[in-house]
Amino acid sequence: DAGITQSPRHKVTETGTPVTLRCHQTENHRYMYWYRQDPGHGLRLIHYSYGVKDTDKGEVSDGYSVSRSKTEDFLLTLESATSSQTSVYFCAITRDTGNTIYFGEGSWLTVV
Amino acid sequence: GQQVMQIPQYQHVQEGEDFTTYCNSSTTLSNIQWYKQRPGGHPVFLIQLVKSGEVKKQKRLTFQFGEAKKNSSLHITATQTTDVGTYFCAGANAGGTSYGKLTFGQGTILTVHP
Repeated sequence: DAGITQSPRHKVTETGTPVTLRCHQTENHRYMYWYRQDPGHGLRLIHYSYGVKDTDKGEVSDGYSVSRSKTEDFLLTLESATSSQTSVYFCAITRDTGNTIYFGEGSWLTVV
Repeated sequence: GQQVMQIPQYQHVQEGEDFTTYCNSSTTLSNIQWYKQRPGGHPVFLIQLVKSGEVKKQKRLTFQFGEAKKNSSLHITATQTTDVGTYFCAGANAGGTSYGKLTFGQGTILTVHP
C-alpha cells in the first residue's frame, strides 16, 4: 500500500463537460503520475510530476492538464471531455529509491 | 519513441497447464519490471530484472531478461485459478533520465479454467 487515494472512483459525465480527477498521497513522494488504461493499449502515461508545480507531458497528454500545488495532491483535468477519454485512470507514485510504480485503485470514467 | 510489444494478448489455459507471456522492446532497456492486475483491480509490482540474462523465480513464476536486454518473459508453471489476471511488462529505457517513466506492454490477459 503506497498511501494513494483516488477520487472519484467512478464517474459518468457528458461530452463537453470538464472533469477533474484527484490523486492524494500520504507518504510525501516527490514523483506522481497519471496513466490511462485501455484494452489493447496497456497503460499509457498522460502526465507526470516531479515536484510541486513541476509537471511534464507523457505520451498521451492531448486533452488533459494537470496541477500540483501541494506535494500530496496531483489533479488531472479533462477540460472538455470526449468519448475517447472513457477509460480507467490510475494515479501512481514512485519512491525515491527506485523506479517501481505503485498504483492507486483507479478511477473509472465514462463519457457519454 | 520506445515501444514495448507483449504477446499473446489473451491466453486461456486449463488449471495445471503452464503459461508464458513474452515482451519485446524496440530499444535496449536498463531494466524491466513485471506487474499483475487482478480483474477489477490495479496493477501490482511483481519483480524487476536488471542484469543481462538474469533469471529470477517466485514460487511457480519464472522471469527472464534477455542477453541483449531487449526482451523478457514470464513463465508460470502449473497455473492455478489464483493466477487469473492481466500481466504487464514495463521497460525503462537505457540511458533515460526520466525518472519512473516506464513504457508498458499491452498486457496478457490470462484466464484459467478449473
